[in-house]
Amino acid sequence: QVQLVQSGAEVKKPGASVKVSCKASGYTFTSYYMHWVRQAPGQGLEWMGIINPSGGSTSYAQKFQGRVTMTRDTSTSTVYMELSSLRSEDTAVYYCARGGVGFLRNWGQGTLVTVSS
Amino acid sequence: EIVLTQSPGTLSLSPGERATLSCRASQSVSSSYLAWYQQKPGQAPRLLIYGASSRATGIPDRFSGSGSGTDFTLTISRLEPEDFAVYYCQQYGSSPLTFGPGTKVDIK
Repeated sequence: QVQLVQSGAEVKKPGASVKVSCKASGYTFTSYYMHWVRQAPGQGLEWMGIINPSGGSTSYAQKFQGRVTMTRDTSTSTVYMELSSLRSEDTAVYYCARGGVGFLRNWGQGTLVTVSS
Repeated sequence: EIVLTQSPGTLSLSPGERATLSCRASQSVSSSYLAWYQQKPGQAPRLLIYGASSRATGIPDRFSGSGSGTDFTLTISRLEPEDFAVYYCQQYGSSPLTFGPGTKVDIK
């Protein structure tokens, strides 16, 4: 069965960077896009961007352009999302999600990133 | 960017009742590229419906989706205790992908 296992919770100071991993199993890693979505405490869902694990191409939401980098390692079937210049408003649960055409068929368990001085 | 609006914000119903959730888009969603997700506290969202009306694998047939253009509906025919949760719509017809703010279905 499809599994997306994310790295553990992180606490960062303002201005720092965080890198979250998402290890995929149960399907052909390079055959499906991977999305990143975040959810601030008590808030809704916000799409951050997408990576094609096959060639590594990416597309980011304009809000995160210049601050987010999505990469992948095909040897370990893992995608990464790095967010830099963190501020308190970036405190959220970050999810990876395997894409269909653009709907999100399977989700990781989420990684809580807390930004606090 | 397509903005999605969901109504009502909260729906208070009893088990066995019918739930009707609305999602309205600020512009037409191409090819009915509209999905619905269910999220329970402390859990990741779960895909229910894609393509406006296609049920995802393993989703009970009490969940149904309909609509096109700018107006979409998720219907739960008879609420089961496990259905009380927050429901989000999402469009994937144009970039960026966007989500609605959610409808909370709680127990009356």
